[in-house]
Amino acid sequence: QVQLQQSGPGLVKPSQTLSLTCAISGDSVSSNTAAWSWIRQSPSRGLEWLGRTYYRSKWFNDYAVSLRSRVTINQDTSKNQFSLHLNSVTPEDTAVYYCARDPPWALGSFDIWGQGTTVTVSS
Amino acid sequence: QSVLTQPPSVSAAPGQKVTISCSGSSSDIGNYYVSWYQQFPGTAPKLLIYLTNKRPSGIPDRFSASKSGTSATLDITGLQTGDEADYYCGTWDSSLSVQVFGGGTKLTVL
Repeated sequence: QVQLQQSGPGLVKPSQTLSLTCAISGDSVSSNTAAWSWIRQSPSRGLEWLGRTYYRSKWFNDYAVSLRSRVTINQDTSKNQFSLHLNSVTPEDTAVYYCARDPPWALGSFDIWGQGTTVTVSS
Repeated sequence: QSVLTQPPSVSAAPGQKVTISCSGSSSDIGNYYVSWYQQFPGTAPKLLIYLTNKRPSGIPDRFSASKSGTSATLDITGLQTGDEADYYCGTWDSSLSVQVFGGGTKLTVL
């Protein structure tokens, strides 16, 4: 079955870059039909979609407008994983971060989620 | 503040039915499929409903959903204590070009 395994630091200093990785098993980051997203959750902001990457003969990335200047999602096909990079973080970026799959049979839904990574932005 | 509006909490007795609403607009629910998620404390959300009213394999038919205009609803019948969780709706928002979610509804089974 498809599984997503997240990795990355739980503590990031203000103004630095938050980087998380999501390793995929049972599917491919290069799938021509799925998409791979990052979503975060905090008490103040609820569930917030950050962006996604997907392959349709070439790579595409979509980002939340509110974060577009600070967020990058890339992929490593050799390791079958994708990563989130959020720069210039502030305490407001403290949240639980999830990676998730948007499958072709459930457009706009997220059927597989990573285990979540609690990230605290603090000096 | 979430784009989609859900009641903060609902409650009902075991065996009863509960309905959770999700209100949006023409730029989101009005023109796109809706999903519903169930989340227990400390765990990732779990997909309950996709394409507005479809259940993934393994989700019991006690969970059903529908949409009318710019609002969607999730119905849970035959409530069980194990259904106590937070429930979220989600869809695409074409004006913001983002996936959006409701603020979540905490279900209490009395």
